[in-house]
Amino acid sequence: DAGVIQSPRHEVTEMGQEVTLRCKPISGHNSLFWYRQTMMRGLELLIYFNNNVPIDDSGMPEDRFSAKMPNASFSTLKIQPSEPRDSAVYFCASSGQGDQPQHFGDGTRLSIL
Amino acid sequence: RKEVEQDPGPFNVPEGATVAFNCTYSNSASQSFFWYRQDCRKEPKLLMSVYSSGNEDGRFTAQLNRASQYISLLIRDSKLSDSATYLCVVTPYTGGFKTIFGAGTRLFVKA
Repeated sequence: DAGVIQSPRHEVTEMGQEVTLRCKPISGHNSLFWYRQTMMRGLELLIYFNNNVPIDDSGMPEDRFSAKMPNASFSTLKIQPSEPRDSAVYFCASSGQGDQPQHFGDGTRLSIL
Repeated sequence: RKEVEQDPGPFNVPEGATVAFNCTYSNSASQSFFWYRQDCRKEPKLLMSVYSSGNEDGRFTAQLNRASQYISLLIRDSKLSDSATYLCVVTPYTGGFKTIFGAGTRLFVKA
């Protein structure tokens, strides 16, 4: 079975550029989560969706970050403009109904120069 | 107080040792509990769910203590391959599906 698919695996770009991260959840899962992980701050929940609707975006650091889920099989996390402090590993995860555990993608390693 | 707290470690143990991690949570209404494992530069992976009656999967045993609001993970006969960070996960079930991850406990198993 295909797991959560994220792209790109690595992204290196200059500050000020727009960055778009992509995620395809596991088919049939109705919740999708975006996380950011750094050595200093650990794993942080940025936003999560249920049935394509954003439920809680309180973890989104600032207006430069935005996330969308136009359908059940695709989500994007966009940073515009990007800054060096945005450098981190960004994970997408999905889960099924109720108290099902989350399954993570491989992550996108983002470096902003 | 953090919603989910773990001892960051690191725990350094020899092969074959038994090691235990605890994790405390603040929301007494929490409903779902999990242990995840994360290897260096990899994604977190589900290790096991934690059930009220306790559960075992091979060398791994998970326990839940609702009265004291903690969960535990016991690893018996540690292997070198058990070296990783172990993340405690709690779902508060406050009307949404938000899941809280602990900061993780580092384990190093040495030959």
